[in-house]
Amino acid sequence: ETGVTQTPRHLVMGMTNKKSLKCEQHLGHNAMYWYKQSAKKPLELMFVYNFKEQTENNSVPSRFSPECPNSSHLFLHLHTLQPEDSALYLCASSQELAESYEQYFGPGTRLTVT
Amino acid sequence: GQNIDQPTEMTATEGAIVQINCTYQTSGFNGLFWYQQHAGEAPTFLSYNVLDGLEEKGRFSSFLSRSKGYSYLLLKELQMKDSASYLCAPRDSNYQLIWGAGTKLIIKP
Repeated sequence: ETGVTQTPRHLVMGMTNKKSLKCEQHLGHNAMYWYKQSAKKPLELMFVYNFKEQTENNSVPSRFSPECPNSSHLFLHLHTLQPEDSALYLCASSQELAESYEQYFGPGTRLTVT
Repeated sequence: GQNIDQPTEMTATEGAIVQINCTYQTSGFNGLFWYQQHAGEAPTFLSYNVLDGLEEKGRFSSFLSRSKGYSYLLLKELQMKDSASYLCAPRDSNYQLIWGAGTKLIIKP
């Protein structure tokens, strides 16, 4: 595997379910990110991890819970979601948080909440 | 507040040149990125500007004016595969990317 991978690619869940999204990067990067992308809206930054430490939580509801066990893996745990949470969830990584390093994105998980 | 403004949609002809403008207001500034996103796919990095001026990369060039809060992406010799959304993303004082809604570029034969 190369680059940034995400599983599952598609997920349909009910509002009472609990599920997790997984992201793995094979680039040796130190920073990882979760984004939400809704139709025709800008990318919304949800969480940032730098060297496994959470550095940013952009007022994300507690029904989204991130976990970063090491610099290569990032999870997003989901529970009691709402239909408006249906969106494309993108994971990204970069070499460092600062400097000129670009972010590399995974293919995303298309989430539908019914 | 922080704000990005870019056209919602543009149309251009194969083989032509197109310029996509972006104006921004951010809390601090640490460079500006352009990304390309094809429908249903993840964004991919195109260019980065931190100093004023033009950065050229093959058929794509990006320009930055920090004093005007302005950038543009110039695409030359357009190909059908260039049909995509183009995202302008300046970085603020916390090194977070502030994303615009993107410009959907439609290339016609």
